[in-house]
Amino acid sequence: DAKTTQPNSMESNEEEPVHLPCNHSTISGTDYIHWYRQLPSQGPEYVIHGLTSNVNNRMASLAIAEDRKSSTLILHRATLRDAAVYYCILRLPQGGSEKLVFGKGTKLTVNP
Amino acid sequence: GAVVSQHPSRVICKSGTSVKIECRSLDFQATTMFWYRQFPKQSLMLMATSNEGSKATYEQGVEKDKFLINHASLTLSTLTVTSAHPEDSSFYICSAREGAITEAFFGQGTRLTVV
Repeated sequence: DAKTTQPNSMESNEEEPVHLPCNHSTISGTDYIHWYRQLPSQGPEYVIHGLTSNVNNRMASLAIAEDRKSSTLILHRATLRDAAVYYCILRLPQGGSEKLVFGKGTKLTVNP
Repeated sequence: GAVVSQHPSRVICKSGTSVKIECRSLDFQATTMFWYRQFPKQSLMLMATSNEGSKATYEQGVEKDKFLINHASLTLSTLTVTSAHPEDSSFYICSAREGAITEAFFGQGTRLTVV
């Protein structure tokens, strides 16, 4: 299984942009890049996903390197509610029963 | 997004008893459900994958006779921790997916404490 590498922790100030990196040098051509986040004492929630092109949604943006060996989750204006552990996960293109395996993620601290 | 409801959110049980945790997809049909366990300050560990109407597939090292999973309908899966011990105390989280849609939706988790 292709693996991802993320920094253990990052800090940001409120209302500033945050760039969360993820390395996935062994990614295959069909793996989608997914991001989930987990707020304290809650289940994870979906943030965004992409394959090759950059993606934007109401929560965040996903910038994918041209060689797809790395990606960056961008929170344009961090709020205190964005403090969470962010997980970068590689998945096959279709649903079905393939597993969603979590790494250690990046713990984001947002300072007021 | 879709809603997955987990019940109870917290449970305390005595050592040696069994505990059942329910996971429901409220507004979609979950063809596949996943059960995770999370210890403090650690990541989620996948325990098993279940498809509606068939037996669950357990991850290596997870005892299927201890963690009974039932996925009898497209909206309900249950995890029963049998003969619970203090080391089973953990945060249990379910996840559900609808067919080929790639996003997975998670329950709010169940904090199990075995005393």
